[in-house]
Amino acid sequence: DIQMTQSPSSLSASVGDRVTITCRASQSISSYLNWYQQKPGKAPKLLIYAASSLQSGVPSRFSGSGSGTDFTLSISSLQPEDFATYYCQQSYSTPRFGGGTKVEIK
Amino acid sequence: QVQLQESGPGLVKPSQTLSLTCTVSGGSISSGGYYWSWIRQHPGKGLEWIGYIYYSGSTYYNPSLKSRVTISVDTSKNQFSLKLSSVTAADTAVYYCARRTPEAPGSGTYLDYWGQGTLVTVSS
Repeated sequence: DIQMTQSPSSLSASVGDRVTITCRASQSISSYLNWYQQKPGKAPKLLIYAASSLQSGVPSRFSGSGSGTDFTLSISSLQPEDFATYYCQQSYSTPRFGGGTKVEIK
Repeated sequence: QVQLQESGPGLVKPSQTLSLTCTVSGGSISSGGYYWSWIRQHPGKGLEWIGYIYYSGSTYYNPSLKSRVTISVDTSKNQFSLKLSSVTAADTAVYYCARRTPEAPGSGTYLDYWGQGTLVTVSS
């Protein structure tokens, strides 16, 4: 069973900041890693699939990188609508999500 | 634009069976190699994948829930359903249905469309 560990679990940032979130898999998952954004009371929304492919309609300030066990989600210039919780998810084996990273306003 | 909508009781008694249905609109549940998934989120917690089904009826369940989960599909109604038996308070959660994309070489799969979610509370 592949475990997914996100860090940090929460962070405070200001509008315009560059933000980086890390996701680590307990074993290699190649590029089988997706990122979702969830706002309170809403369903998760797909941002990045296959580690680095931007989902259609998602702003280009979001980017993903990594392969194997270590992955990152970056937001180049944080916007007010980006304050949310972000989850990674591996699709290499039984799907599993990371614990989430809550991005809060500083 | 594909849309998914969960429906079912919001309150279930302990030891009973939780039953939810997801209605798909804007596309056929039988098309394109997609799998139809259930995911849940305990209050204030992270996401847990429950399982998925193909239109043919093939299923794959989370091993941790497998003994209590049944997912079925009704292509004539463009719906798929979740049954979770012997529920306890630990099954209180928001339940989401979602569409899983076909497997792509080197890319894996992902959940591209989600329902809005429905809160199910297990309580007597």
